[in-house]
Amino acid sequence: DGGITQSPKYLFRKEGQNVTLSCEQNLNHDAMYWYRQDPGQGLRLIYYSQIVNDFQKGDIAEGYSVSREKKESFPLTVTSAQKNPTAFYLCATIQGGRMNTEAFFGQGTRLTVV
Amino acid sequence: KQEVTQIPAALSVPEGENLVLNCSFTDSAIYNLQWFRQDPGKGLTSLLLIQSSQREQTSGRLNASLDKSSGRSTLYIAASQPGDSATYLCAVYSGGGADGLTFGKGTHLIIQP
Repeated sequence: DGGITQSPKYLFRKEGQNVTLSCEQNLNHDAMYWYRQDPGQGLRLIYYSQIVNDFQKGDIAEGYSVSREKKESFPLTVTSAQKNPTAFYLCATIQGGRMNTEAFFGQGTRLTVV
Repeated sequence: KQEVTQIPAALSVPEGENLVLNCSFTDSAIYNLQWFRQDPGKGLTSLLLIQSSQREQTSGRLNASLDKSSGRSTLYIAASQPGDSATYLCAVYSGGGADGLTFGKGTHLIIQP
């Protein structure tokens, strides 16, 4: 069954703790993206990766880190430097050349600071 | 920088009505536009993809149009049903990298039974 798997679905973080969100895909897509979604603010880009072993900062990268060691995997770490991490996190892949580029999303991880 | 605006932000209509959701973008140099549906607490589900050379795409009761030169797209939902209640987002693709996908904030749609 092809798709994007995000885990866990719910995650609770204590103050000062680092947590890692998993994103795995079996669609064989090159580009992977992490977005943060807050009520009323739409989707904001955290990090993206277009090829293995390469990634770039998005609009709100501070307090986050990523790795791309395998094509299938793009984990996101929320570090203690992120002061307001409570949000819904979405992982996406993008397929295709420019004219028929299409984005696919996972089911999201809801992170809550306790 | 590309900006995408969706109007209205929220919409509530009785079941059975036809309705139109609007999406506008500031830079017409796009490769395609994609409409998504998001249910509460869920990820985004792709509804329709319109390439920049196309004028419209249809899937069942959904029809999306694209006027690239004027920077506008509409999503038409025919004979609305309570199950259509969700947030609808549009996104434009302008190329690779950080400017790749730009999203609107969505239209929160409620279909009253």
